[in-house]
Amino acid sequence: EVQLVESGGGLVQPGGSLRLSCAASGFTFSTYWMTWVRQAPGKGLEWVANIKQDESEKYYVDSVKGRFTISRDNAKNSLYLQMNSLRVEDTAVYYCARDRPNFCRGGSCYVSDYWGQGILVTVSS
Amino acid sequence: DIQMTQSPSSLSASVGDRVTITCRASQSIATYLNWYQQKPGKAPKVLIYAAYTLQSGVPSRFSGSGSGTDFTLTISSLQPEDYATYYCQQTYSNFRTFGPGTKVEIK
Repeated sequence: EVQLVESGGGLVQPGGSLRLSCAASGFTFSTYWMTWVRQAPGKGLEWVANIKQDESEKYYVDSVKGRFTISRDNAKNSLYLQMNSLRVEDTAVYYCARDRPNFCRGGSCYVSDYWGQGILVTVSS
Repeated sequence: DIQMTQSPSSLSASVGDRVTITCRASQSIATYLNWYQQKPGKAPKVLIYAAYTLQSGVPSRFSGSGSGTDFTLTISSLQPEDYATYYCQQTYSNFRTFGPGTKVEIK
């Protein structure tokens, strides 16, 4: 059974740092792209970042570039999100998700087929 | 970056109704379009991927269509468990943006 379990959330002051972890099990972690998605209270889903299997490609939403770093440890089946210079507007539930490749005309397309339960990050003084 | 819009932002419908939600991309994304359902306090769940392929285990009353910039999610006969918020997402770009969501409420 595929499982993704986030940890590391909590309350932090503006300007502070936090490191989220996502422990994966039930699949071959090293063969999948992985993604972080967040959801501010009462708001919609926001894609945050994703990372290729070998860390050779990483992408970020503009609002977190230069502040957040996505990484992974395939030996530990774990995904991470290092969040620095946190702002009040980073307050959200953060989800990790597995990205499964599928066939689309023109190449592979991806879908986040398994998600963690989410972890709350609150940035407040 | 590719921007996604959805309409309507919310709708009220009765059990048994046919419901249609539209998603539009700011540029052509071929069929690189997913649909998710999210209930309060829960993680999103994928319904449709690659514009029209039903995810395993999802009821056949859900269907997707479209390509290029315009896409549709249809629920053929709304059931009580379908009251939720629905999001589209493009994966044409590695910056995999979501639409703002459509909340389906009980009429």
